[in-house]
Amino acid sequence: GEDVEQSLFLSVREGDSSVINCTYTDSSSTYLYWYKQEPGAGLQLLTYIFSNMDMKQDQRLTVLLNKKDKHLSLRIADTQTGDSAIYFCAEGNTGKLIFGQGTTLQVKP
Amino acid sequence: KAGVTQTPRYLIKTRGQQVTLSCSPISGHRSVSWYQQTPGQGLQFLFEYFSETQRNKGNFPGRFSGRQFSNSRSEMNVSTLELGDSALYLCASMSSTGELFFGEGSRLTVL
Repeated sequence: GEDVEQSLFLSVREGDSSVINCTYTDSSSTYLYWYKQEPGAGLQLLTYIFSNMDMKQDQRLTVLLNKKDKHLSLRIADTQTGDSAIYFCAEGNTGKLIFGQGTTLQVKP
Repeated sequence: KAGVTQTPRYLIKTRGQQVTLSCSPISGHRSVSWYQQTPGQGLQFLFEYFSETQRNKGNFPGRFSGRQFSNSRSEMNVSTLELGDSALYLCASMSSTGELFFGEGSRLTVL
């Protein structure tokens, strides 16, 4: 069935770049998303990419999509302590998304 | 522009009771989806409504139901509550360009 996999934990130093990876199985998905969740809060949409794109850049965020390998990555440049949170990738066509388990990003000062 | 609004934010119920959660989507968005988030199962899709019709449904028992009104506002209902229904319930609305925005969620505790 449809599945989305992410590594569970990433630790970086403040000022470094962070790269969070995700693999998915459903090649028919139209959209791929990255969300951020802070403790006690809902999901904040960071960015999303159409499945026919290879890359999208939005300020400190860069999304890379490798359709052949069904691999999605999120790069955060100049990572700050405020970026500490759980990051989810998700795939879908409509409002029905399949989410990964989430990657906890720890940013050390 | 107001975001997705969910009410109530927190609620406590006892086993066997029922609960109704409400969601107001972003103005102009016609698609509303519901998700359940638990530490053990993560984020799971419940259902999606578009123009008052259920467009997609996840793998949840019939105790979980929803509806959408003509103004796109949506409600979900859980009947005969079980301890395992304790979760964060998230509502999302989708723009015509594919952006899916979530509300802050309704945190349900079942005792």
